[in-house]
Amino acid sequence: AQSVSQHNHHVILSEAASLELGCNYSYGGTVNLFWYVQYPGQHLQLLLKYFSGDPLVKGIKGFEAEFIKSKFSFNLRKPSVQWSDTAEYFCAVNAGRGNNNDMRFGAGTRLTVKP
Amino acid sequence: NAGVTQTPKFRVLKTGQSMTLLCAQDMNHEYMYWYRQDPGMGLRLIHYSVGEGTTAKGEVPDGYNVSRLKKQNFLLGLESAAPSQTSVYFCASRLTGGHQPQHFGDGTRLSIL
Repeated sequence: AQSVSQHNHHVILSEAASLELGCNYSYGGTVNLFWYVQYPGQHLQLLLKYFSGDPLVKGIKGFEAEFIKSKFSFNLRKPSVQWSDTAEYFCAVNAGRGNNNDMRFGAGTRLTVKP
Repeated sequence: NAGVTQTPKFRVLKTGQSMTLLCAQDMNHEYMYWYRQDPGMGLRLIHYSVGEGTTAKGEVPDGYNVSRLKKQNFLLGLESAAPSQTSVYFCASRLTGGHQPQHFGDGTRLSIL
C-alpha cells in the first residue's frame, strides 16, 4: 500500500509570507492527489486535486500545487498567506484510475499564521 | 442539501459500553468511509462501503463493525469500547471514480473513560 509523508509537522509564518508545504508519496503507478484543509473545529474541505493534465493545479483561496512525477511529490503553495489560513493541511493519495479505495492521508501539517 | 451529517457530535462512554455512530449523506454517493483522526497520525481508514449492502475493512478495523443497509446511511459500531478508541471520527462519501474527492462530515468526538 502507498504511504504519504508530510515533512513539516508545524509551520509558523507571518502574514504575507509565502508558503510551501511538502508532500511525498510512495506509490509508483498512476495516482490521484488531493490537498484538504481543516480549519479549527471543522471538517476537512477539499482545497485542490490532481488526476491528469496540467501538473500545476489551482485550488480555492489562492492555493496551488505542483505534481512532480519524478520526485513523487505534490507540494502545496501560496504566494502570500493570511491569518485566516491558519488550519491543518492534509495531503492524500488514491492510487489508480479505477475505483480504488485505498486513499491514504498524510499526518498533516499545522499552519499558524501570525497577524 | 445537508451533505454529510454525523450524529452524535460528542459522546463520552465508559470502557465496555457499546454505541453506534450514524452517518447520513444526501448526495446519492455510492462510496462511504469511516476514519478516525488522532494527533500526529492524520486520518486512518476504519471501514468503507462501495454500495448499499457492502462493507470492507480499512487500515484499522479491529474493534469496530459497520453496516450499510441503506445507500444514504453508514453506521459505525463499537461493541465494547476501549480507551484506545478515544478519537475524533469522520465519515466521508464520494461519487464513483478514484479521482473523485471525498466529502466529509463534521466529526464525532468520542471519549472512552
